[in-house]
Amino acid sequence: QKEVEQDPGPLSVPEGAIVSLNCTYSNSAFQYFMWYRQYSRKGPELLMYTYSSGNKEDGRFTAQVDKSSKYISLFIRDSQPSDSATYLCAMSSLNTGGFKTIFGAGTRLFVKA
Amino acid sequence: EPEVTQTPSHQVTQMGQEVILRCVPISNHLYFYWYRQILGQKVEFLVSFYNNEISEKSEIFDDQFSVERPDGSNFTLKIRSTKLEDSAMYFCASNRRGETNEQFFGPGTRLTVL
Repeated sequence: QKEVEQDPGPLSVPEGAIVSLNCTYSNSAFQYFMWYRQYSRKGPELLMYTYSSGNKEDGRFTAQVDKSSKYISLFIRDSQPSDSATYLCAMSSLNTGGFKTIFGAGTRLFVKA
Repeated sequence: EPEVTQTPSHQVTQMGQEVILRCVPISNHLYFYWYRQILGQKVEFLVSFYNNEISEKSEIFDDQFSVERPDGSNFTLKIRSTKLEDSAMYFCASNRRGETNEQFFGPGTRLTVL
């Protein structure tokens, strides 16, 4: 079983739709959960960061973590064509010298105008 | 807004040659990382660096790889003898504190090994 599983898509939605992206994981030691956005041939851009379980909202973005189910989600409300990108989930546990972060494969999202 | 920078943006090298990829992390950050992303594949952890030493490395980070923080601002990744399969985007990242894992990534260096 892979440590982090993410459906690569592609996911195509009309402008204004609510987008739901998710990942599952197997390592119960993960405590830090992130969502990154990556445009083609660019570096990942941190969108959302959550520690442990719960919800976090930032503008049109909501991140949810359910540690009991080992399942994390990212919701995008009122999606825009500019949201078209690859969305990467990422997670890690704490080591004394930093965070070895494990990424999902990324979901390609297309928002059609 | 401070950001992680990387040079060069694209490096082409011959198989067997040494390359050094350079990064300038955000100035008050204490933890530094290298990741790679082979075209069409996921981002993979290579190494983390804290307090002037490697804190963790993946199985990818073998004896051909090394990292260094030669001064107070630069963080480098050296590949001693490049192989064709080293062709990838290499990303540097940094985060400020040990309590959170908000890692900020640079734009990447595209390494092409011929």
